[in-house]
Amino acid sequence: DTGVSQDPRHKITKRGQNVTFRCDPISEHNRLYWYRQTLGQGPEFLTYFQNEAQLEKSRLLSDRFSAERPKGSFSTLEIQRTEQGDSAMYLCASSLSITSGRYTGELFFGEGSRLTVL
Amino acid sequence: GQNIDQPTEMTATEGAIVQINCTYQTSGFNGLFWYQQHAGEAPTFLSYNVLDGLEEKGRFSSFLSRSKGYSYLLLKELQMKDSASYLCAVTGGFKTIFGAGTRLFVKA
Repeated sequence: DTGVSQDPRHKITKRGQNVTFRCDPISEHNRLYWYRQTLGQGPEFLTYFQNEAQLEKSRLLSDRFSAERPKGSFSTLEIQRTEQGDSAMYLCASSLSITSGRYTGELFFGEGSRLTVL
Repeated sequence: GQNIDQPTEMTATEGAIVQINCTYQTSGFNGLFWYQQHAGEAPTFLSYNVLDGLEEKGRFSSFLSRSKGYSYLLLKELQMKDSASYLCAVTGGFKTIFGAGTRLFVKA
């Protein structure tokens, strides 16, 4: 396993269109996170999965955003009716759970999916 | 509320030592992390503190005082490749919250 992979790396879309991003975490990691990062800012927490269960979702996340992790493996993040303010880098990260015995809390990030909304 | 503060930018000279400070106020605390992020790349893990004190790892050291809500990252023998953003992050409960990052410029 070479790490967390995200697809696509870049997406340019017109305002009002829907977009979907995919994340494949490190295979033994059961925790998966989505973050959003804009220029000059740190990653902003969006949502978190433990296996297939979505345990927390940021209050900043509007109803246009939805994330799934159907079989506890890969995850998708969909943005409906995109707005120019959605332009950002969407980062996926995975980690071991605290019960794994090797938990350090370290997040392993993918390279990100950069979204540009015109 | 949750708040993580760190300086926006710092400049230092190659070969020197630089200290990047971080203060935090969070509703839960399981540990404090420092990540390095080069422009256009994903953050990568540098250090982790869960107990008070200093953790040393090669040219990088990180300090934590939980009672003061304070941490610093110390970079020694600076190299040009250390020019990057340094993100202070706190884990509480299930999630990790990041500061805005400190952009470090290393000059020759």
